[in-house]
Amino acid sequence: AQKVTQAQTEISVVEKEDVTLDCVYETRDTTYYLFWYKQPPSGELVFLIRRNSFDEQNEISGRYSWNFQKSTSSFNFTITASQVVDSAVYFCALSEPLRGANNLFFGTGTRLTVIP
Amino acid sequence: ETGVTQTPRHLVMGMTNKKSLKCEQHLGHNAMYWYKQSAKKPLELMFVYSLEERVENNSVPSRFSPECPNSSHLFLHLHTLQPEDSALYLCASSQEGFGGKLFFGSGTQLSVL
Repeated sequence: AQKVTQAQTEISVVEKEDVTLDCVYETRDTTYYLFWYKQPPSGELVFLIRRNSFDEQNEISGRYSWNFQKSTSSFNFTITASQVVDSAVYFCALSEPLRGANNLFFGTGTRLTVIP
Repeated sequence: ETGVTQTPRHLVMGMTNKKSLKCEQHLGHNAMYWYKQSAKKPLELMFVYSLEERVENNSVPSRFSPECPNSSHLFLHLHTLQPEDSALYLCASSQEGFGGKLFFGSGTQLSVL
């Protein structure tokens, strides 16, 4: 069965600090996709990144970077020089195929608070 | 205009009421989803429709009844709910099948008294 663990429930950092959000997943599938979503107070989950199981290349997008390691089943997310606007709940998710659709198994989320 | 729109944003209902949640997507996607988000629990998939056909019903109680009249609209009909059904209900859509990105609405915050 698919499972995603985000051990950090809440993190607080001071603005401009770097912060890493951890994600560990379990799956028996050889082909899978991993996602990160951001949920600001408005409630809408905002897509940040998707990574498939055959692409272990790390990715950087501005202040955001992702470290995917199949050997440890981890897909960690780092925010560099954090800003107040980064305050949100961040979810890691693992996909399962579903007849023309895509089921995402989510972790319980990490609430990030950036203090000005 | 946002890609996925949900109405109402907030809903308070009694246990004997009947209400419906509405979701509309403007992205041309062919799959739509209902997720339930309760405090301190992972998001739970409730229903999935692909090409207007229900492909998943995750052991959801019958007091929740989905309807997908076309690829752009999705409803969740509610009747005789329980207080533990209070949660944020999120609608999403996708296009790409397995591995596709889900696009979410802002949700309906439901309180059952």
